[in-house]
Amino acid sequence: GQNIDQPTEMTATEGAIVQINCTYQTSGFNGLFWYQQHAGEAPTFLSYNVLDGLEEKGRFSSFLSRSKGYSYLLLKELQMKDSASYLCAVRDYRGGATNKLIFGTGTLLAVQP
Amino acid sequence: DSGVTQTPKHLITATGQRVTLRCSPRSGDLSVYWYQQSLDQGLQFLIQYYNGEERAKGNILERFSAQQFPDLHSELNLSSLELGDSALYFCASSNQGIGKETQYFGPGTRLLVL
Repeated sequence: GQNIDQPTEMTATEGAIVQINCTYQTSGFNGLFWYQQHAGEAPTFLSYNVLDGLEEKGRFSSFLSRSKGYSYLLLKELQMKDSASYLCAVRDYRGGATNKLIFGTGTLLAVQP
Repeated sequence: DSGVTQTPKHLITATGQRVTLRCSPRSGDLSVYWYQQSLDQGLQFLIQYYNGEERAKGNILERFSAQQFPDLHSELNLSSLELGDSALYFCASSNQGIGKETQYFGPGTRLLVL
């Protein structure tokens, strides 16, 4: 089966650091994506991990441990505009040429002044 | 702006009706994906097309169908609509539809079934 777990909601303070965790169990795995989604808008790509370790991109970093089925997204120097839903998605690969993404339900982050 | 376009932005219809949602992928992208996002279920993968051919199927109901045309735009047809079909429907595109490609999402169509 396929299961992706993220906390439903988180709150953090402007200027602080927040870590959003994601655990997954999938039949096939070939990469993990993080997307940001503001209410009513399209998801926008943040990061991609396929090998273990940390990928850094400006204020955003993402970490993956394949053996533990675990990833996190780290947001530094939080800004009010970072208030959004953060979606963890696993690329489901079971052979064949497909790029199907399985999404978690998302973590709604509220950044407070 | 991701470069993926979707029409219409909003759609209000009644139960039992049929609607068509349209998507144009980013220039150069050959693969199109459809997702449904409802409040209680998050983003659910429905179906993927690559260069006109169906490539992967997810939790797509039999009442729903899709196709990708020679000009690479795609349409998602929803029929015998039920109240529970009310949701945001997103289209995404990527270049080849395989590998570690990023999927870029369109702005979505908000469907309300009354």
